[in-house]
Amino acid sequence: DGGITQSPKYLFRKEGQNVTLSCEQNLNHDAMYWYRQDPGQGLRLIYYSQIVNDFQKGDIAEGYSVSREKKESFPLTVTSAQKNPTAFYLCASSWAGTSTGNTIYFGEGSWLTVV
Amino acid sequence: GENVEQHPSTLSVQEGDSAVIKCTYSDSASNYFPWYKQELGKGPQLIIDIRSNVGEKKDQRIAVTLNKTAKHFSLHITETQPEDSAVYFCAARSGNTPLVFGKGTRLSVIA
Repeated sequence: DGGITQSPKYLFRKEGQNVTLSCEQNLNHDAMYWYRQDPGQGLRLIYYSQIVNDFQKGDIAEGYSVSREKKESFPLTVTSAQKNPTAFYLCASSWAGTSTGNTIYFGEGSWLTVV
Repeated sequence: GENVEQHPSTLSVQEGDSAVIKCTYSDSASNYFPWYKQELGKGPQLIIDIRSNVGEKKDQRIAVTLNKTAKHFSLHITETQPEDSAVYFCAARSGNTPLVFGKGTRLSVIA
């Protein structure tokens, strides 16, 4: 089954802990993205990567870290420095390399709650 | 950078009526404008998109129009059905930069 798989679907974090959200895609897409969604809000970009071993900060990168060691994987770590991490996290991917914009597809999301 | 404004934030329509959601963008270089539908607890699903060399695109009950001069684009849903109830997001991007999203419109279709 092709697509973008995020895990876990639900995650609880204690204060001061780092947690890692997994994102795997088998679409052979070049680019991958992480967005954060708060209730009643739009999607805000955390990090993105257009090629393996390279990534860029988005609008709200503070308190987060990523890696892109493999084309199909783009894990997001929510560190203890992120003061308000409770949110819905969305991973996405797309082709890269044209000038007209490529369709971005989303995973089903991961809910992170601080307890 | 790009900024996308979306209106209204909530919209209620009677089943069978039309719904229109409008977005404006700030970056004249933006050339790709998708619309996503998001159901509760799920990831956004692409429903229609338009590129800057096209003024209008239609797919069954859904259409999108683009006015590049005025920098706005709109989603039109005709003959609305209860299953159209969801949150809809517009977005814009230039080339292969990441999408910038509007804040969303919660559409309720009342049977």
